Amino acid sequence: IVLTQTPLSSPVTLGQPASISCKSTQSLVHSDGNTYLNWLHQRPGQPPRLLIYKISNRFSGVPDRFSGSGAGTDFTLKISRVEAEDVGVYYCMQATQPTWTFGQGTKVEI
Amino acid sequence: QVQLVESGGGVVQPGESLRLSCAASGITFNTYTMHWVRQAPGKGLEWVAVIWFDGSAKFYADSVRGRFTISRDNSKDTLYLQMNSLRAEDTAVYYCTTDGSDFYGGAYWGQGTLVTISS
Repeated sequence: IVLTQTPLSSPVTLGQPASISCKSTQSLVHSDGNTYLNWLHQRPGQPPRLLIYKISNRFSGVPDRFSGSGAGTDFTLKISRVEAEDVGVYYCMQATQPTWTFGQGTKVEI
Repeated sequence: QVQLVESGGGVVQPGESLRLSCAASGITFNTYTMHWVRQAPGKGLEWVAVIWFDGSAKFYADSVRGRFTISRDNSKDTLYLQMNSLRAEDTAVYYCTTDGSDFYGGAYWGQGTLVTISS
């Protein structure tokens, strides 16, 4: 499974929305009916941190300005109002197969 | 709270071996499938290997199959990655990571350990 993110770089303005797309080469629907498409955020020098799991569920402690949507092979991460702490690289990942794959990453900078 | 602490990284020469460890706490380790993910300097995330909660199944990325071995000791809540025949392209920060309690995919991550392959 190959995940393709767009854009690869996204200059943003504080307080404005931002959006990242992730497209999969095949359906990410698991045999259990769930779609294990997750979004991670990584700041420089830090490990990745989970933001969204199963397309649209915010992980513990994640602000509600982050939201995920999509189905099948097309997915989107949206930030409703970008804050300074949101800079870094965002990755989509699929865990539908135990051999995970990641998108190339989208660098978000102010 | 969940903690994953990697250790064992360092600088070795091409062809040498290294064993990484990941000590887990805050989770019932023997119920979690565990993964290794790496990140080369300035690059994206690359999945490396996975081991089932009971060690009954293991899968590897093509880039490491036959050279790396993932294992675990559930009595010690510890995950391992034995890396043999190391190459320059194995240089990366290696993270251990695991699923969430009711979903798959990267809920918890360690801080990572840096492996540098250099002559």
